[in-house]
Amino acid sequence: NAGVTQTPKFQVLKTGQSMTLQCAQDMNHNSMYWYRQDPGMGLRLIYYSASEGTTDKGEVPNGYNVSRLNKREFSLRLESAAPSQTSVYFCASSEADRDNSPLHFGNGTRLTVT
Amino acid sequence: AQTVTQSQPEMSVQEAETVTLSCTYDTSESDYYLFWYKQPPSRQMILVIRQEAYKQQNATENRFSVNFQKAAKSFSLKISDSQLGDAAMYFCAYRSAYRGAQKLVFGQGTRLTINP
Repeated sequence: NAGVTQTPKFQVLKTGQSMTLQCAQDMNHNSMYWYRQDPGMGLRLIYYSASEGTTDKGEVPNGYNVSRLNKREFSLRLESAAPSQTSVYFCASSEADRDNSPLHFGNGTRLTVT
Repeated sequence: AQTVTQSQPEMSVQEAETVTLSCTYDTSESDYYLFWYKQPPSRQMILVIRQEAYKQQNATENRFSVNFQKAAKSFSLKISDSQLGDAAMYFCAYRSAYRGAQKLVFGQGTRLTINP
């Protein structure tokens, strides 16, 4: 049972570089999410996908783009990385048709932008 | 928009004792869900306990229980018989009950230290 798999686990970028964080889930969940975690601020939602084919902005979408490639995969792209995007990024998924279903998280990606 | 506040950035407790972590939230909705997640040093997010707002009975999972006060918009987590493995960041989270709005709103987190 892999659950939610994120790659890479660690990444260092220079300002202006681009990269894509990959996320895949094998639980047949409809909904997927990208969060960022910063000290003292908890986890903040960047983008989410309620179902395959749809994506919506969360609380902090600026500087990011997402793609719901299929039901399993939801990627997060930084087109031009900035030091303010240094953070730990979490992908998560949930069943859309169960009201109290919790989010299942990947193990996170620590991104440093210099 | 809903907000979640954890007013204790850090807490510590002696092993085998009981500790309570505080969480308050702000919402105009009447139907919602509340969660506590644990994040150990491994960075993994682990669901500890969940509460449905329409249920008056407080949720319990082994040594973990909540005190849900809907009118006060308070959702505290009590850990009994604290163990070294309980040391972690704990996050309180809110989720609207309306379909299609399953995204969680998190508090800032409380770092719990267990003293042997």
